[in-house]
Amino acid sequence: GAGVSQSPSNKVTEKGKDVELRCDPISGHTALYWYRQSLGQGLEFLIYFQGNSAPDKSGLPSDRFSAERTGGSVSTLTIQRTQQEDSAVYLCASSLGQLNTEAFFGQGTRLTVV
Amino acid sequence: AQKITQTQPGMFVQEKEAVTLDCTYDTSDQSYGLFWYKQPSSGEMIFLIYQGSYDEQNATEGRYSLNFQKARKSANLVISASQLGDSAMYFCAMSRRNTGNQFYFGTGTSLTVIP
Repeated sequence: GAGVSQSPSNKVTEKGKDVELRCDPISGHTALYWYRQSLGQGLEFLIYFQGNSAPDKSGLPSDRFSAERTGGSVSTLTIQRTQQEDSAVYLCASSLGQLNTEAFFGQGTRLTVV
Repeated sequence: AQKITQTQPGMFVQEKEAVTLDCTYDTSDQSYGLFWYKQPSSGEMIFLIYQGSYDEQNATEGRYSLNFQKARKSANLVISASQLGDSAMYFCAMSRRNTGNQFYFGTGTSLTVIP
């Protein structure tokens, strides 16, 4: 596709349920990033995939959060047993993974846990 | 550890005036890149400008310029001739070669342009 695509754009879920958020990066981009943004706040780093290297999971806030990237392309962020504090916009970005190239962001998934 | 600091949570500027948004960073790396992004109320993240750590000239893109002072580890964004559409959140970010070019973001500055 022309840009980074995220689905769903909005998700409302009940506390305790599991959710999956999907990210389709730009074709050919080796680097993929997940961030979380609470209302009016900055970007909180979650996880980073770069090519075939082991992902940097240092930003995942708890073991309820996990992510995978299949075939070096599509990524899924999974949140198990959702809590109300998980409510936020989850942003995915991709880049060529080079120092002088910008990251391109998707429109985000707005997650609301009720 | 890397750190990006944006000390101005909110800024106001009169339409057609210039404004400077501050960004300082902390890294011991020699190779790194500095970026600015704009996030309007619609939520999309828009790339504005890039500066490489080895670039001797300050980057410019239209009305945006980056005032890069390497010794002071600052990368301030200057917006000239502000327009109402410039009202948004602005984020400074750094990528570091030593961490596989991962991006680190500051906390952002909210800019409001006053007519």
